[in-house]
Amino acid sequence: EAGVAQSPRYKIIEKRQSVAFWCNPISGHATLYWYQQILGQGPKLLIQFQNNGVVDDSQLPKDRFSAERLKGVDSTLKIQPAKLEDSAVYLCASRGGGEQYFGPGTRLTVT
Amino acid sequence: GEDVEQSLFLSVREGDSSVINCTYTDSSSTYLYWYKQEPGAGLQLLTYIFSNMDMKQDQRLTVLLNKKDKHLSLRIADTQTGDSAIYFCAYDRGSTLGRLYFGRGTQLTVWP
Repeated sequence: EAGVAQSPRYKIIEKRQSVAFWCNPISGHATLYWYQQILGQGPKLLIQFQNNGVVDDSQLPKDRFSAERLKGVDSTLKIQPAKLEDSAVYLCASRGGGEQYFGPGTRLTVT
Repeated sequence: GEDVEQSLFLSVREGDSSVINCTYTDSSSTYLYWYKQEPGAGLQLLTYIFSNMDMKQDQRLTVLLNKKDKHLSLRIADTQTGDSAIYFCAYDRGSTLGRLYFGRGTQLTVWP
């Protein structure tokens, strides 16, 4: 079974630019999560989808972050405009069989 | 609250046992997890324990849960250099949608 795919793996942008990350979950997984992992910290949930509906986006900075999951499969997370403090690894996960499976993450550096 | 505390670093010699500790404050935790993260990789689930259990053993891994003290530990027997990684303690609140709350991670270094 293929794992959770994410792209790009690395991204460097300047502050105030925009960036988008893509996630393809494991086939058949209805629940998808985006976590932000700042260096030296554990992952923190940004947004959670069930199929194509948002379940929890209470921790998403909605003035600059947006996410969608059209057709309940792939998902994109966008930041516009980026700030220095957005430098982090963005992890996508999907849930099946009671377990969360994580992708390799996208490492974002904002300069 | 959602606080999960872990010591940041642990060093052991190859062949010794490692014990990584975690404390949490949320009494509504249902499942507690240990994840492993190697450099440049995502998180890999190592093991988990249901909150009404106090021990779970899985090959070299032993998880101990003291629910009264809200203390979770992971023991790795016969630690190998390949076990060097960051280990995260996490829990969920039992919702079928399973949002996880993570600690900051413990960097385990295994010396040959």
